[in-house]
Amino acid sequence: AQKVTQAQTEISVVEKEDVTLDCVYETRDTTYYLFWYKQPPSGELVFLIRRNSFDEQNEISGRYSWNFQKSTSSFNFTITASQVVDSAVYFCALSETTQGGSEKLVFGKGTKLTVNP
Amino acid sequence: DVKVTQSSRYLVKRTGEKVFLECVQDMDHENMFWYRQDPGLGLRLIYFSYDVKMKEKGDIPEGYSVSREKKERFSLILESASTNQTSMYLCASSLPGPDTQYFGPGTRLTVL
Repeated sequence: AQKVTQAQTEISVVEKEDVTLDCVYETRDTTYYLFWYKQPPSGELVFLIRRNSFDEQNEISGRYSWNFQKSTSSFNFTITASQVVDSAVYFCALSETTQGGSEKLVFGKGTKLTVNP
Repeated sequence: DVKVTQSSRYLVKRTGEKVFLECVQDMDHENMFWYRQDPGLGLRLIYFSYDVKMKEKGDIPEGYSVSREKKERFSLILESASTNQTSMYLCASSLPGPDTQYFGPGTRLTVL
């Protein structure tokens, strides 16, 4: 079965530091999608990025960047010059095709990031 | 903007009660999902639905059932609530396929 591992349970940094959140996945599918979500203290999961397995280009969006490496089955997320508002739980997720042909997501356990002023 | 709403932010019920959690989305999405989130366990899929009246079990369906009579509404039912069902419940919706799921604000359920 598909599996997503976020080995870092909690990370604490000081504002303006760069921080990388790790995500390693296991899949039997040849085509799949990877996602990152942010869950701020308010509780609602916010979508950040979706990547398909054929696109290994790194993505940058403002202070956020993602590094997808198929060779190591990793999809890491870096926040540059972190800010207090980045404090949240971040989830990595992987698509999975069920036996019935439907699609669902498998989530990692999340990494809690605390950015201190 | 996609909007997914859940009927309550906080809910307190007693053991043995029948509990309904409602989720409504306004983006005409085919897929809808129910998760529970517990500390240290991340998000675990309870049930999902890929069409009206269609449902599929997720990873932890025991003790739960679902209903989808209309495309925009997906209900999670706890037939006889137990204390180990105290949790945060999250609803999501998406287009068909491995598309982005959009989440509601969550319902924090406490079963006493």
